[in-house]
Amino acid sequence: AAGVIQSPRHLIKEKRETATLKCYPIPRHDTVYWYQQGPGQDPQFLISFYEKMQSDKGSIPDRFSAQQFSDYHSELNMSSLELGDSALYFCASSLVSSGRGVYNEQFFGPGTRLTVL
Amino acid sequence: AQKVTQAQTEISVVEKEDVTLDCVYETRDTTYYLFWYKQPPSGELVFLIRRNSFDEQNEISGRYSWNFQKSTSSFNFTITASQVVDSAVYFCALTTPNTDKLIFGTGTRLQVFP
Repeated sequence: AAGVIQSPRHLIKEKRETATLKCYPIPRHDTVYWYQQGPGQDPQFLISFYEKMQSDKGSIPDRFSAQQFSDYHSELNMSSLELGDSALYFCASSLVSSGRGVYNEQFFGPGTRLTVL
Repeated sequence: AQKVTQAQTEISVVEKEDVTLDCVYETRDTTYYLFWYKQPPSGELVFLIRRNSFDEQNEISGRYSWNFQKSTSSFNFTITASQVVDSAVYFCALTTPNTDKLIFGTGTRLQVFP
């Protein structure tokens, strides 16, 4: 079965650079979620999109932005990178039948490991 | 406020031992969902189980079993006859219908030695 695809799998950037992470949800899934997992920490929710509109927002820094495109893939853009942004970034997708209010399984991708030097 | 507590930071066992990972949750919502995820050293998050607040039945899947008790707000996970391949970090998580956010506990690192 098709899974969530994230690219790149590994990314190394310098401080103050920008980075773009991509997420391709499972076919027919309409919702994507982004999580950040720092070293030795639990995943923290950043943001989600349902049908290309922002659905929920968590602890996403102002330097980060994200969007979901017409083909449902999503991109997380990070600017002015800091050492503390080094983390594993997960994307998850789900098929939400009626928007928020009904839980639908979040299927996680393999993650993108971002290292900021 | 919603919260998930995994008090056990690290557990070490020898192969074939049984081990229970504890999870205590807090929420004021009457409808909520609880999860367990496994994160092996390779880093991916592997979904193990979802349980909703209306279903207190315990579940068994092979060597894995889960004990959901609303009276104590706990959702504990037991691995029977542990194996080296069970070595991983295990996360308990919670969500409610009014948010997309999965709230994770801090995880329990399980090390199974041969």
